[in-house]
Amino acid sequence: EPEVTQTPSHQVTQMGQEVILRCVPISNHLYFYWYRQILGQKVEFLVSFYNNEISEKSEIFDDQFSVERPDGSNFTLKIRSTKLEDSAMYFCASTGTAQAADTQYFGPGTRLTVL
Amino acid sequence: AQSVTQLDSQVPVFEEAPVELRCNYSSSVSVYLFWYVQYPNQGLQLLLKYLSGSTLVESINGFEAEFNKSQTSFHLRKPSVHISDTAEYFCAVIRQGAQKLVFGQGTRLTINP
Repeated sequence: EPEVTQTPSHQVTQMGQEVILRCVPISNHLYFYWYRQILGQKVEFLVSFYNNEISEKSEIFDDQFSVERPDGSNFTLKIRSTKLEDSAMYFCASTGTAQAADTQYFGPGTRLTVL
Repeated sequence: AQSVTQLDSQVPVFEEAPVELRCNYSSSVSVYLFWYVQYPNQGLQLLLKYLSGSTLVESINGFEAEFNKSQTSFHLRKPSVHISDTAEYFCAVIRQGAQKLVFGQGTRLTINP
């Protein structure tokens, strides 16, 4: 069964450093998402992406964040200058359509630790 | 805006006992409802979803959830749990026409032998 993959599984970085989290969505999917879960808190939506553009973003997704589909398979989340409060589990998801009823398929997550 | 509340952060049960994981939501517009499960060291997997029609939806591994519009609830139940059901369970809603899932805080289900 096709699945969403994410690398690395765990990333440790120093405050102020840039990080890039990578995702490979399901191959025929066109809509991509990033969510995050700070330890002990809810899974929160960050951004949705389609046709090389952001379609929706949350208030968390400020200028420090960016997303990109650099090639036909990868979908990346970049944090330019990490803060301690960016420490969280980051989940990538994808769907085949923009329909709200369509299942979002999630990757296993990248645990980001900012020191 | 939508919100989801899962009242129980942890639920310990004995193997073969029944379980109910509670989920309540708040929304001024129509939503679709989902239960996702996260097994240890894995991603979120869809367990079941309610879109329309029969208010009782079932998963392939024996879980079921009932949509109750008047009580704005979507509780998850299983009549007899197995050790392999140990996981974290997330209730989520999405507004019709939107792309953003709104999650509850999750319920950790622990099965004791």
